[in-house]
Amino acid sequence: NAGVTQTPKFQVLKTGQSMTLQCAQDMNHNSMYWYRQDPGMGLRLIYYSASEGTTDKGEVPNGYNVSRLNKREFSLRLESAAPSQTSVYFCASTYRGRYGYTFGSGTRLTVV
Amino acid sequence: KNEVEQSPQNLTAQEGEFITINCSYSVGISALHWLQQHPGGGIVSLFMLSSGKKKHGRLIATINIQEKHSSLHITASHPRDSAVYICAVTNTGNQFYFGTGTSLTVIP
Repeated sequence: NAGVTQTPKFQVLKTGQSMTLQCAQDMNHNSMYWYRQDPGMGLRLIYYSASEGTTDKGEVPNGYNVSRLNKREFSLRLESAAPSQTSVYFCASTYRGRYGYTFGSGTRLTVV
Repeated sequence: KNEVEQSPQNLTAQEGEFITINCSYSVGISALHWLQQHPGGGIVSLFMLSSGKKKHGRLIATINIQEKHSSLHITASHPRDSAVYICAVTNTGNQFYFGTGTSLTVIP
């Protein structure tokens, strides 16, 4: 099925551990985004990639790194997880902002 | 300060009622989006609009560019409409600004 695939769906980390959240889309979209969603705060942009080979910081980039591996894949890495990074993470993509945006199903991350 | 404000934050309705969720924004936009998120679920894009009105089934979205205001209407509401509805806007750089969402509960 066409869409945005995120893995894993759930993850529990200990403080200081690292992990990579994977995102892949098969819609030939140019732009990809990583958001975090926290109660009462709405979605906040962590990083985005307007096109293959480019990445830019969003509103809350500290503690994260990203890689746009190719046009399909955009990964989010936590180098040293902190409890403040407990959140639900969503990946999204679009074709130049036209025809709407498609979101992944989310990754629920808990850092203990 | 939030660039996108939604009201109400929470809404409870009886099945069959007509529902309106409002969204006001303060930035220049290229498009406005209405998104739906079911509890524990992913985010689905309902509408993307830059002018006028769009309709999909029982859902209608309108936007007034001059007033920087949009409304999402649900006709003949049903319990399966229970979800969080998020208003978001994108600027010409394709950056999103999100509202904090309206939590809708439709009671049978």
